[in-house]
Amino acid sequence: KNEVEQSPQNLTAQEGEFITINCSYSVGISALHWLQQHPGGGIVSLFMLSSGKKKHGRLIATINIQEKHSSLHITASHPRDSAVYICAAPLTQGGSEKLVFGKGTKLTVNP
Amino acid sequence: NAGVTQTPKFRVLKTGQSMTLLCAQDMNHEYMYWYRQDPGMGLRLIHYSVGEGTTAKGEVPDGYNVSRLKKQNFLLGLESAAPSQTSVYFCASSYSRGANNEQFFGPGTRLTVL
Repeated sequence: KNEVEQSPQNLTAQEGEFITINCSYSVGISALHWLQQHPGGGIVSLFMLSSGKKKHGRLIATINIQEKHSSLHITASHPRDSAVYICAAPLTQGGSEKLVFGKGTKLTVNP
Repeated sequence: NAGVTQTPKFRVLKTGQSMTLLCAQDMNHEYMYWYRQDPGMGLRLIHYSVGEGTTAKGEVPDGYNVSRLKKQNFLLGLESAAPSQTSVYFCASSYSRGANNEQFFGPGTRLTVL
């Protein structure tokens, strides 16, 4: 079982719709990362959050540490938001820490 | 600042050939990472480095070697390429290693092994 699970795997929306992508993790963490992978392949970090909510433009990320769940919301979606969104959680194994990545959610926003 | 750069962007190898992927960062980051990305799977850590002259194994290190002779460069080597190493390889760097530190990614190298 993957320690970081995302849903849905694929999401198609019409321009202007409100988007929600979910991330659940099975290990205790101190923070969670959301990343965006553009159709061209580049990966950028969107958020790192350890509690509550963070907002950047039309993107909002929330996290509930107790429930081991985070959501990424996109308001007023636009075709340029089409990308793969990835969540990642830090995992400590054998004294070292590494990020465990979800498989990603592919978002397509149609005009 | 160029951020994190990777060379080459694309490469096709025959089974048994060797090659080196170069990652360079100009942000003075201590920590650097090599990941591979395969269809239907999340990014997986191959090797990482916590500073110049140090390297450590990640989740899928077999078949790869790395070196960090200079702080700004992190090299990933394939001594004898296999078709199973066909993948997209991403390098990343961060100021320090820990859950709360943002990783900056390179543009990726698409490698095909025939």
